[in-house]
Amino acid sequence: EIVMTQSPATLSVSPGERATLSCRASQSVGSNLAWYQQKPGQAPRLLIYGASTRATGVAARFSGSGSGTEFTLSISSLQSEDFAVYYCQQYNDWPLTFGGGTKVEIK
Amino acid sequence: EVQLLESGGGLVQPGGSLRLSCAASGFTFSSYGMNWVRQAPGKGLEWVSAISGGGNSKQYADSVKGRFTMSRDNSKNTLYLQMNPLRAEDTAVYYCAKAAAGNWYSDLWGRGTLVTVSS
Repeated sequence: EIVMTQSPATLSVSPGERATLSCRASQSVGSNLAWYQQKPGQAPRLLIYGASTRATGVAARFSGSGSGTEFTLSISSLQSEDFAVYYCQQYNDWPLTFGGGTKVEIK
Repeated sequence: EVQLLESGGGLVQPGGSLRLSCAASGFTFSSYGMNWVRQAPGKGLEWVSAISGGGNSKQYADSVKGRFTMSRDNSKNTLYLQMNPLRAEDTAVYYCAKAAAGNWYSDLWGRGTLVTVSS
């Protein structure tokens, strides 16, 4: 099983600042990496797939990068609606696995 | 409107069974693989199972293998998850999610249904 490790667990950021979230895979997943955003009481929402492609309707301030085992989700200028939990997921091999999540909170 | 709507959750005793359903609309259901993903209270996301568009290929997490069965009825645009025997650790919100074309990440999610396993 591919283990996905996200860091940090919690990120405190002021509105308008940049946030950088990390995701590491225990073995290479190529570019088969997705990022999701989840707000309290809501279902997850796809943000990024293919490590760097924004999903339909996702704001340009979200960007993904990386390949192999190291990935990054960046939010260039945090808006109030961006405070949420973010999960990475590999879909390169079975079982599909998620990282433990990074909570982005208001500083 | 493109959407997924889960149903069938509830309170069940350990060792019991439950069948979840997920009604799909707004897209050609049979053309896409589907996933079940769960989230225990206050915890992260856990992938549970996946099924191909035609229903002939299935994958399961080790935690549910042999206890859960995923199926689909493309004539009814409905996905199912038969769960038994249930354990306390199966308590979670269960989401059905549509897989993207040609891949297994989830590009559309339902709102989820809560399953509580407790005596």
